[in-house]
Amino acid sequence: GENVEQHPSTLSVQEGDSAVIKCTYSDSASNYFPWYKQELGKGPQLIIDIRSNVGEKKDQRIAVTLNKTAKHFSLHITETQPEDSAVYFCAASKSTGANNLFFGTGTRLTVIP
Amino acid sequence: DTGVSQNPRHKITKRGQNVTFRCDPISEHNRLYWYRQTLGQGPEFLTYFQNEAQLEKSRLLSDRFSAERPKGSFSTLEIQRTEQGDSAMYLCASSSGLAGGISYEQYFGPGTRLTVT
Repeated sequence: GENVEQHPSTLSVQEGDSAVIKCTYSDSASNYFPWYKQELGKGPQLIIDIRSNVGEKKDQRIAVTLNKTAKHFSLHITETQPEDSAVYFCAASKSTGANNLFFGTGTRLTVIP
Repeated sequence: DTGVSQNPRHKITKRGQNVTFRCDPISEHNRLYWYRQTLGQGPEFLTYFQNEAQLEKSRLLSDRFSAERPKGSFSTLEIQRTEQGDSAMYLCASSSGLAGGISYEQYFGPGTRLTVT
């Protein structure tokens, strides 16, 4: 099955700086890569996603890049704000079967005011 | 609110008791997923429904677990004879994916936190 690895496990940045979280996946058949933000006591919230026919996608302060050859994808958050503090999860899935998501182990991002 | 809802939000039970959780997906989403999340980990897939049909189950889903989606709308997840290892957050997600189609966005509910004492 798919194996998704995520780094770093914790990340602290000063407000206004950028944050980068990286993930790798093992199954070359995976073709959909969402990122979720999870705040304490809440379910994961979809913040951005990318499909394998695209190399980069941007939505305001967040962007995701995908390198299919190397099987890795990254989340970039610019101009970080204290409300960006949360746990971020990357995930991967493929078009066949359940399309279920395989998640990384999460990155706890702390934005220091 | 038109998001995914789950009830109860918290459940404390004694070992050996049965528990049932409910998930109401986003209206008209035909796919519904159950995941389990333990502390410090990402969610892990348990099972999913395409409309009322349960099409896949993870090996994590022991025979003490059963899920239903009788009318293709809400779903229930029941755990019989609970064990301490069942303590986790149980998450439900829904998507508009069609059978055999591409992966669609999955939207998660707030989860049900189960504590087995």
